[in-house]
Amino acid sequence: AQRVTQPEKLLSVFKGAPVELKCNYSYSGSPELFWYVQYSRQRLQLLLRHISRESIKGFTADLNKGETSFHLKKPFAQEEDSAMYYCALRDTGRRALTFGSGTRLQVQP
Amino acid sequence: ETGVTQSPTHLIKTRGQQVTLRCSSQSGHNTVSWYQQALGQGPQFIFQYYREEENGRGNFPPRFSGLQFPNYSSELNVNALELDDSALYLCASSRAGQGDTEAFFGQGTRLTVV
Repeated sequence: AQRVTQPEKLLSVFKGAPVELKCNYSYSGSPELFWYVQYSRQRLQLLLRHISRESIKGFTADLNKGETSFHLKKPFAQEEDSAMYYCALRDTGRRALTFGSGTRLQVQP
Repeated sequence: ETGVTQSPTHLIKTRGQQVTLRCSSQSGHNTVSWYQQALGQGPQFIFQYYREEENGRGNFPPRFSGLQFPNYSSELNVNALELDDSALYLCASSRAGQGDTEAFFGQGTRLTVV
């Protein structure tokens, strides 16, 4: 069975500090990995997907199949990055998303 | 392009009752998925509909059922409500097939079972 693990419930950093939100997965096939973000009082929205290899709002994530990880990184955190972040895996057959339990990022001034 | 909308936004029901939640998918999307998000947890997949047929189901009992209509809107029905059904229910729409898209989420329906 597929599984997504986000080990940290809360990550608190100061503005300008580097950020790394951890995500590990287990899946028997070739996964599609995503990061979703939920800002206060807003709906869940896609931040980035591994196949696009983009940098969105300064965030990047690299799929490491050897370590089965898809950690989200940003070199310099901003206060507006404070939000709930969910890592998700998509089953290519069923196309359903399996989410981790989420990490709340707090960026302090 | 209109986004995904869900109704109602909040709902309180009594244990044992039945509830219907509604979702209007984004224009051009043909797939709707429903998720349950308990407090402090990530969303959990309930089921997915593609062209009016169930196209996958998560680990939820049969009292969770759904429909998709020709305009690709969808309903989630829950029978014999239990206290543990209290959660935020999210609908997500996407387009499967050529040029398939990411999933776009609605704002959710918060269901409280008392």
